[in-house]
Amino acid sequence: GAVVSQHPSRVICKSGTSVKIECRSLDFQATTMFWYRQFPKQSLMLMATSNEGSKATYEQGVEKDKFLINHASLTLSTLTVTSAHPEDSSFYICSARDWNYGYTFGSGTRLTVV
Amino acid sequence: EDKVVQSPLSLVVHEGDTVTLNCSYEVTNFRSLLWYKQEKKAPTFLFMLTSSGIEKKSGRLSSILDKKELFSILNITATQTGDSAVYLCAVDVDRGSTLGRLYFGRGTQLTVWP
Repeated sequence: GAVVSQHPSRVICKSGTSVKIECRSLDFQATTMFWYRQFPKQSLMLMATSNEGSKATYEQGVEKDKFLINHASLTLSTLTVTSAHPEDSSFYICSARDWNYGYTFGSGTRLTVV
Repeated sequence: EDKVVQSPLSLVVHEGDTVTLNCSYEVTNFRSLLWYKQEKKAPTFLFMLTSSGIEKKSGRLSSILDKKELFSILNITATQTGDSAVYLCAVDVDRGSTLGRLYFGRGTQLTVWP
C-alpha cells in the first residue's frame, strides 16, 4: 500500500529558530499534499494544501510567511515553521493524496518550542 | 462553523461492550466519509463510505452512511482494551483539480476498561 514518511517525529527547538519538517511519499507520486495541525484533544485542522510545482493554498487564519510550504517534487513536501514561538508547539501531520491510494498520513511530528 | 460533528466526545466502557459512535456532517460537494483510528500518532484508516445504506465491516468494526440524513455511525462490538483510541470522522469534499480536502470532526475518545 501507499506509505508516507514524515520526519522528524519529534523536535525541540528554541524560540526564534526555524524548524523544517519533511513529508515523503515512498511508493507513489503525490500530486497533492496536505499539512495539518493538531492541538491536544482537538481534531486535525488543515493548514494548507500544496500541489507539486505550484504555490501552496493556505487556509484562513494560517500565516503563509510563518509556515512555509514547498512541494518541489512529486514525492516530497516540506513545512518550515519560521521564527518559532511556544504557541507553535503542536502536533503536525502531513497527508498525501493520489487518485489511486486516496489519503495516506505521515506519522506526525511533535514540535515543542522552548 | 463545525462541518463535521462527532458524538459523544468521550466514552468509557468495559471490555465486551458494544459501542456506537456518531458523525454528522454538513458540506457541499460531498465525495466520501472516512473513519480513522488515532492512537497517539497519525490516524490509521478504517473505512471509506460513499454510498448510503451499504454497511462496511472489518472484524468487530462496522460502519454505515446515510446521505439523506447526513450522518454515519461506527459500531464496535465486543470491545477490547486495544480499541481504546480516538476515532475520527472526516468528510472528503470535492474541490476539482486539487483532489479535494478532508474536514475532520473533533473525534470520540473511547476508553475500554478491562
